Amino acid sequence: NAGVTQTPKFRVLKTGQSMTLLCAQDMNHEYMYWYRQDPGMGLRLIHYSVGEGTTAKGEVPDGYNVSRLKKQNFLLGLESAAPSQTSVYFCASSYVGRKGYGYTFGSGTRLTVV
Amino acid sequence: GDSVTQMEGPVTLSEEAFLTINCTYTATGYPSLFWYVQYPGEGLQLLLKATKADDKGSNKGFEATYRKETTSFHLEKGSVQVSDSAVYFCALHDQTGANNLFFGTGTRLTVIP
Repeated sequence: NAGVTQTPKFRVLKTGQSMTLLCAQDMNHEYMYWYRQDPGMGLRLIHYSVGEGTTAKGEVPDGYNVSRLKKQNFLLGLESAAPSQTSVYFCASSYVGRKGYGYTFGSGTRLTVV
Repeated sequence: GDSVTQMEGPVTLSEEAFLTINCTYTATGYPSLFWYVQYPGEGLQLLLKATKADDKGSNKGFEATYRKETTSFHLEKGSVQVSDSAVYFCALHDQTGANNLFFGTGTRLTVIP
């Protein structure tokens, strides 16, 4: 099925470990996003990309890095995980066209840092 | 900057009750407005949207009207079902080049039989 696929779905890390979350979309969308979802705070934008080879900071970028080497993939990296990064991470992609814009979200990655 | 303020929950209703979840926004200009729904263990799904003032978005019995005068986009449903239990997010479209969405904090709805 077309859409946004996130891997892994669950992960437990120890403080200081590193990991990469992968987001893949097969809709040829230009824009891609990483959000984190925390209780009582909705979704907050971490980083985003407006096209292959581009990235930009969102609202809460500290402690994260991203790369968009291929149009269909958007990677989120944690170099040295901290308990404050325990969260649910969502990837999304979007298009902008003559009829407006649309967004598709992945099913999320639940990350626990102990 | 642009922002969304959403009614805090959780909200618990009996089946067939009337639902209102309040959402107000702050923005320059007139951004598109959205309601997303998140069912347990899943990602966000678009429920409905409105792109200009006085537009009414509707889907699955849910409705919301874009009110410019009150900067609001309240979600309503006349008769909720157990299957409507989920978290509902109000969002507005970022009108800058990021093409991002600004989300409210979410409202958890539980419908009991």
